Amino acid sequence: KQEVTQIPAALSVPEGENLVLNCSFTDSAIYNLQWFRQDPGKGLTSLLLIQSSQREQTSGRLNASLDKSSGRSTLYIAASQPGDSATYLCAEFSGGYNKLIFGAGTRLAVHP
Amino acid sequence: DAGVIQSPRHEVTEMGQEVTLRCKPISGHNSLFWYRQTMMRGLELLIYFNNNVPIDDSGMPEDRFSAKMPNASFSTLKIQPSEPRDSAVYFCASSFLRGVNTEAFFGQGTRLTVV
Repeated sequence: KQEVTQIPAALSVPEGENLVLNCSFTDSAIYNLQWFRQDPGKGLTSLLLIQSSQREQTSGRLNASLDKSSGRSTLYIAASQPGDSATYLCAEFSGGYNKLIFGAGTRLAVHP
Repeated sequence: DAGVIQSPRHEVTEMGQEVTLRCKPISGHNSLFWYRQTMMRGLELLIYFNNNVPIDDSGMPEDRFSAKMPNASFSTLKIQPSEPRDSAVYFCASSFLRGVNTEAFFGQGTRLTVV
């Protein structure tokens, strides 16, 4: 059964800190992994997609890595800002049907 | 493209009534996902279509839930009869499958309240 776990569940940091969000998955036959951001009461915004043949992707202050052998992905946020406050979710495309399965998310608060 | 479009954005209905949620995927995408989000259970995959065919509906909670995709540009999720515990935000997402699914994009969701 596909399972995705995100640690920590919540994180509060002062502005300017570099931080790492963790995602682990049980299905080694992962295809792609995608990171999303969700603001309160809003939909999900795609941040980064890492294809199974890739090890990392970067967009601005965000860097996501994928290690299939250990079943882990990390999202690195550099120089955090209050506007980064949101819930961050990782999701894997895996299994024979390419289903997209989500973790429970990490709720991030960046305070000035 | 306008992205994934869901309607209505908000729905309030009485217990026992039929509710229909609608989704228009991104043009050219051939995979469509319906999710339910609650505080307690997070994002749950309800059903997954590929090329308009339901591939996996193992997440549909009860027979009261049904989903259809009559063509590549439209899908519905129906709840009949609705119950208060169905109150949640329902999301639709689409992606393009060619061997593997590529980046998924989500609609803004439908917030359903059953009273």
